[in-house]
Amino acid sequence: AAGVIQSPRHLIKEKRETATLKCYPIPRHDTVYWYQQGPGQDPQFLISFYEKMQSDKGSIPDRFSAQQFSDYHSELNMSSLELGDSALYFCASSTQGMDSPLHFGNGTRLTVT
Amino acid sequence: DAKTTQPNSMESNEEEPVHLPCNHSTISGTDYIHWYRQLPSQGPEYVIHGLTSNVNNRMASLAIAEDRKSSTLILHRATLRDAAVYYCISWDYGGSQGNLIFGKGTKLSVKP
Repeated sequence: AAGVIQSPRHLIKEKRETATLKCYPIPRHDTVYWYQQGPGQDPQFLISFYEKMQSDKGSIPDRFSAQQFSDYHSELNMSSLELGDSALYFCASSTQGMDSPLHFGNGTRLTVT
Repeated sequence: DAKTTQPNSMESNEEEPVHLPCNHSTISGTDYIHWYRQLPSQGPEYVIHGLTSNVNNRMASLAIAEDRKSSTLILHRATLRDAAVYYCISWDYGGSQGNLIFGKGTKLSVKP
């Protein structure tokens, strides 16, 4: 079965640069979530989208923005990168509702030097 | 904030059952209990979820206490591949559609 696809798998950037992470949800899933997981940390919710509209917002820095496009894929844009932004970034997708499991991608590992 | 508490770590022997406990005394009556697990260097993986009744699927069973203040994830026969961090999560309806707020999970070690 098709899974959530994230690209790139690895990304190395320097401080103050920008980065764009992409997420392709499972077909017919209308909701996308972004999570950040620092080294040795638990996943932290950043932001979610339902039917191309922002749904919920977590601990996402103002330097980050995201959107969901008409084909339901989503992009997380990160500017003025800091060393502390180095982390695994996971995208998940689901159908609407708290009864629906989230399906996670394998993540993008961002390293900021 | 996460509404669940779990032991930091547990150990099990291969091919034995594992019972992973979770306390969630403050969740609302309509919050589903979700369990996910995360293997090293992988994204979290859905295991099971439920509201009031016990649930079974091919991966595990979920036993929910009658008062819904706690639940237990049951792996019937642990394998080495089950070594992971297991998260017990209640759905957070803080915003519009809601989302999963991960807390501190239980790191399960499986010994051969």
